[in-house]
Amino acid sequence: AQTVTQSQPEMSVQEAETVTLSCTYDTSESDYYLFWYKQPPSRQMILVIRQEAYKQQNATENRFSVNFQKAAKSFSLKISDSQLGDAAMYFCAYRSPVLSPLFGNEKLTFGTGTRLTIIP
Amino acid sequence: GAGVSQSPRYKVTKRGQDVALRCDPISGHVSLYWYRQALGQGPEFLTYFNYEAQQDKSGLPNDRFSAERPEGSISTLTIQRTEQRDSAMYRCASSSRPGTTLGRWEQFFGPGTRLTVL
Repeated sequence: AQTVTQSQPEMSVQEAETVTLSCTYDTSESDYYLFWYKQPPSRQMILVIRQEAYKQQNATENRFSVNFQKAAKSFSLKISDSQLGDAAMYFCAYRSPVLSPLFGNEKLTFGTGTRLTIIP
Repeated sequence: GAGVSQSPRYKVTKRGQDVALRCDPISGHVSLYWYRQALGQGPEFLTYFNYEAQQDKSGLPNDRFSAERPEGSISTLTIQRTEQRDSAMYRCASSSRPGTTLGRWEQFFGPGTRLTVL
């Protein structure tokens, strides 16, 4: 079974600065997907960024980027120019490859989360 | 609909009562997932459906938990004889089609039902 570990329960960053959230995972699979989800105080689950393991290039979405190290099984999230609206719980998640479009399981395995505080 | 909806948003019940939690996925979405999120934890997979077929229920904690999706759209998660340890946020998610190894997709999450068992 796959596991996802987020070793930083809480992080804080000054507004406009850069912060990096860590995530490691354990898997024997060679192909998979990794995600970062944001959960603001409203407790919605919002997809921030995704990475396909077969892609060597790190994913970026505006101020959000990842550092994907496949050999080290590490998947960190970098938030640049932090804004007050970035304050939230951030969850790292893993998804196995799906072998059959009809019967594959797309379930997500989540880490325990990192609470990010933005200091004005 | 515009997004995944869940009802009720909040449910308080007494220990031993049965509860039914409803999920209405995005129109046309084939796959539907149930997760449970304890306070301060990440969501934990319970079960999922492709169309009306329950493909995996390995995450259901015990036989008090069951789920159905009889017409391939709305789903109900039922907890019988609730216990205090069942208190959590129950989240539903849907995605547009069964997964493939290629292609982009996203699971869209509903707002959740917060269940409190007294």
